[in-house]
Parts: sequence; structure tokens; C-alpha cells
Amino acid sequence: ETGVTQSPTHLIKTRGQQVTLRCSSQSGHNTVSWYQQALGQGPQFIFQYYREEENGRGNFPPRFSGLQFPNYSSELNVNALELDDSALYLCASSTGSYSGANVLTFGAGSRLTVL
Amino acid sequence: AQKVTQAQTEISVVEKEDVTLDCVYETRDTTYYLFWYKQPPSGELVFLIRRNSFDEQNEISGRYSWNFQKSTSSFNFTITASQVVDSAVYFCALTYDKIIFGKGTRLHILP
Repeated sequence: ETGVTQSPTHLIKTRGQQVTLRCSSQSGHNTVSWYQQALGQGPQFIFQYYREEENGRGNFPPRFSGLQFPNYSSELNVNALELDDSALYLCASSTGSYSGANVLTFGAGSRLTVL
Repeated sequence: AQKVTQAQTEISVVEKEDVTLDCVYETRDTTYYLFWYKQPPSGELVFLIRRNSFDEQNEISGRYSWNFQKSTSSFNFTITASQVVDSAVYFCALTYDKIIFGKGTRLHILP
């Protein structure tokens, strides 16, 4: 059973650029969620996808967008990058539509640095 | 407002000591779940325990135990006989229609 894999592991962008982060969910999981973790902080929920549709969103602006594909893998896209977007971006997968009971399986994250 | 507070920013204990991590939460919902996750240096969060708002029974699982008290809105987590491999950042989380994490407690287990 493979876990959650994320790519790239590290990347550096400049302010105003766009970035795409990728996530492959754990085998058998059909729900993917994304989190932003700034240094020294807890993860903050960005959004969640279930069966290719967004079904939950945190307090992030529209320049944070995503996709889920038929194989349940997912992308996080961030446009017009700002310095404050520098963070570890975590992807997590789970089963079923959103439920507070869902146990999340996390990837190791993509560390984004915006200069 | 929904909120999770982990007042302990960093804790250091000597191996084999017991250590308790504190978590206090705020919510208006009557149905919710509480979690503890561990984040080792590799980065991925690892699920440890889950409790729902209707089950205040406290349990022990191996070296882990937890104390859930709705009266004080606390969900504390204890590691018994700590080991160096327990060194990590520990997050408490509250879920209702979204998930909120605390800021984490960095735990150092000294050999």
C-alpha cells in the first residue's frame, strides 16, 4: 500500500509567479485536502476535493485553486505568488466525503520559497 | 469561534520520563472530533488518536493515553516512558465542518 506522495519536495519562485504542486493519494482513498504550514505554525486548511469537486474551503483567496483527477490525484495551483506564500504545503488523503471523523494520511509536503 | 490552543510551545524531558501535552479547544458545535497528530522531522503528519464529542471515555493505547474533559474543553495527551523516537512536533486538531490545528508543541526527548 503506497502512501501519499507529493512533488516537488522543494522549489523556489519569485513574487508574482505561479506554481503547481502535485499529490498522489494513498491507494483506496478518494478525498484529498491541502494545507499550508508556515514555519512554526500548525497546518491551515486550504480546501478539499471529493470525487473531483471542491467540497470544503478554508480562508484562502481565489488565487489558491485546485483540481482532482479521476485517479484521485490532485494539484494545488497558486497564482500571483506573494512572499507570505512561503510555506510547507501538505497534502492529505482520506476516504469518503468530508466528515469530521476522517483520519488523514499526509504526504511529506512541498516546501515553497517565494523570493 | 472555533479555536485550538496548545500553550506549551516546547518541552524537553529525559528519556523514560512521562510527558503530557496540553490542548484546550473552543467550539459552539455539539458534534465534533478531536485528534492528535505527530510531525517528525521528515514532515508528514502521522495520526495518533481520535475522539468524538460524545465519548469522554479515556483510554490507554500502548505508551499513549489521553484525557478528554468536555467540562474544561481539554484534550490532553500523555506519553508514558518516553523514547528518543518520540521527539517531534505534536498537533492537536478540532474538526467540525473544517479542521483546525493548534500551533503545535515541540517535544525533545533527551537520551
